[in-house]
Amino acid sequence: SQTIHQWPATLVQPVGSPLSLECTVEGTSNPNLYWYRQAAGRGLQLLFYSVGIGQISSEVPQNLSASRPQDRQFILSSKKLLLSDSGFYLCAWRDRGLDTGELFFGEGSRLTVL
Amino acid sequence: GQNIDQPTEMTATEGAIVQINCTYQTSGFNGLFWYQQHAGEAPTFLSYNVLDGLEEKGRFSSFLSRSKGYSYLLLKELQMKDSASYLCAVLDSNYQLIWGAGTKLIIKP
Repeated sequence: SQTIHQWPATLVQPVGSPLSLECTVEGTSNPNLYWYRQAAGRGLQLLFYSVGIGQISSEVPQNLSASRPQDRQFILSSKKLLLSDSGFYLCAWRDRGLDTGELFFGEGSRLTVL
Repeated sequence: GQNIDQPTEMTATEGAIVQINCTYQTSGFNGLFWYQQHAGEAPTFLSYNVLDGLEEKGRFSSFLSRSKGYSYLLLKELQMKDSASYLCAVLDSNYQLIWGAGTKLIIKP
């Protein structure tokens, strides 16, 4: 069966510090991968998605970046965090070629920037 | 622009029935999803509708009217564990998901 894990689950970082959130998927090949951010009382905001190794599409201009060094690994990074980067970050995957398929989410990472 | 509207919060009684509405205006339509999200956790899939009508799955049912840009999620025989946020999301013409802000459902004994 397919599983998705992301870490760390919780982190508190000072403004200006770097960030690295990691997500891995098991039990499937060539998935589409996604990074979302969820602010309190707001809908999920798509940050990045990837249809393959090294292929990253950015949906929102920001100081975040994403990379996909391996087929089932997706990393969200920042060189210098802002207060506005605080939120709940979710990694997700979907079967490639199944455009109407459901998204499967990781456990989420709660980031607080102080 | 693209827009998904759903009530911010609803309250219902254990054992009762509740209907959560979702209206949408999107560039194209390739289906509508409902997800459940407990506080501090990731969303989990509940239902997918692409054709008009009612889809029933146990205590949960989802309805879609494409002509009206409207869907609802019906929860029957409410249990305390149903206390959660319910997210409506539409697949637009580019197969990108547009998300509503979610409806927080509070179940009272």
